Amino acid sequence: DAGVTQSPTHLIKTRGQQVTLRCSPKSGHDTVSWYQQALGQGPQFIFQYYEEEERQRGNFPDRFSGHQFPNYSSELNVNALLLGDSALYLCASSGPWAYGYTFGSGTRLTVV
Amino acid sequence: DQQVKQNSPSLSVQEGRISILNCDYTNSMFDYFLWYKKYPAEGPTFLISISSIKDKNEDGRFTVFLNKSAKHLSLHIVPSQPGDSAVYFCAASLGAGTASKLTFGTGTRLQVTL
Repeated sequence: DAGVTQSPTHLIKTRGQQVTLRCSPKSGHDTVSWYQQALGQGPQFIFQYYEEEERQRGNFPDRFSGHQFPNYSSELNVNALLLGDSALYLCASSGPWAYGYTFGSGTRLTVV
Repeated sequence: DQQVKQNSPSLSVQEGRISILNCDYTNSMFDYFLWYKKYPAEGPTFLISISSIKDKNEDGRFTVFLNKSAKHLSLHIVPSQPGDSAVYFCAASLGAGTASKLTFGTGTRLQVTL
């Protein structure tokens, strides 16, 4: 049973560009959350998607947006990239019957 | 404002001994606490959790203790094994449902030496 899969694993972008990260949740999970982990920090909550809608949002600017598709997969979009957006972006999924998030291995984004 | 704090960035313990990882929180509304383990190039893996209605939860070699009055929790690993070497994150949430977002600490790197 595949867990949470994220793509790509690594990405290098230039300041000002836009990026899209992708996540496929664990089978049976319908909720997807995105976290940003900067170097030396713990993961920080960006937002959560459920039933194709943003259910909760953390303290991130509008440059960060997302989408959830009918098959529960999700995308994270970041516009007008800043050097400070360089981080590991983690996707976590959860299901309706038990608490607990399953995390993917993340996408390492480097902005130069 | 760091609502969940792990003040020890690193810890080194000999194999077979006890590892104690600490975590403090400031938001008294948090009522569910979790520990995650993270190896390099992998996502965090859930280890153990505790609800605020309990003060202790055990799972094999792992025990989490919660002191609500002190807003403090700790993870005990006994006995420590080399495979336990990883970064450990403490996390807290409001409620235990799937809608609950996690607030993480900055992590403690545990090294278990032979």
